[in-house]
Amino acid sequence: GALVYQYPRRTICKSGTSMRMECQAVGFQATSVAWYRQSPQKTFELIALSTVNSAIKYEQNFTQEKFPISHPNLSFSSMTVLNAYLEDRGLYLCGARDFTGGLYAEQFFGPGTRLTVL
Amino acid sequence: QQKVQQSPESLSVPEGGMASLNCTSSDRNFQYFWWYRQHSGEGPKALMSIFSDGDKKEGRFTAHLNKASLHVSLHIRDSQPSDSALYFCAARNMGYKLTFGTGTSLLVDP
Repeated sequence: GALVYQYPRRTICKSGTSMRMECQAVGFQATSVAWYRQSPQKTFELIALSTVNSAIKYEQNFTQEKFPISHPNLSFSSMTVLNAYLEDRGLYLCGARDFTGGLYAEQFFGPGTRLTVL
Repeated sequence: QQKVQQSPESLSVPEGGMASLNCTSSDRNFQYFWWYRQHSGEGPKALMSIFSDGDKKEGRFTAHLNKASLHVSLHIRDSQPSDSALYFCAARNMGYKLTFGTGTSLLVDP
């Protein structure tokens, strides 16, 4: 079956520091990876959508300078939160899918990386 | 304003009862819909998808889509305590972006 792993599951960083999180897809080709942030109020914000061999598209209010993403192959993606502050806290979710399935393809999610900023 | 609104925000049903969740989008570009369920401490997992008008049934779960009114619903019959979770409607447009709704917290009382 299709599985998505995320590392670390929880992380705490000091205000102004950076942290990197990873996402690994198993059992399918992660041609497309979306990074989301789920707020403490449980709402989802899409940060960026990455497709292998294409430019990464960031949503409004999110930038490459703040959230650089790497998607080097069909099973792995990473994202760094640079210069983290209190408003960056939340659950960071990686959603991966195989876009060869077209618009019908399901997006599989990992368990998330919970970021706490002190 | 969120493009995908869900109601109610929270819902409590007795074990064995019927839970009905609603989702309305404000963007006619959304054509493909999923229902995701998220248990505490986990990521969201897809329950079912619906792409055509009408009903789609999978076991105890039935989804209904009305594209004209941009309304999607999920009905859970014979609700079980293990169904207690956050439920999200998610919609995709032609640009492949998946937009999540505001969520409904379901509690099934044993």
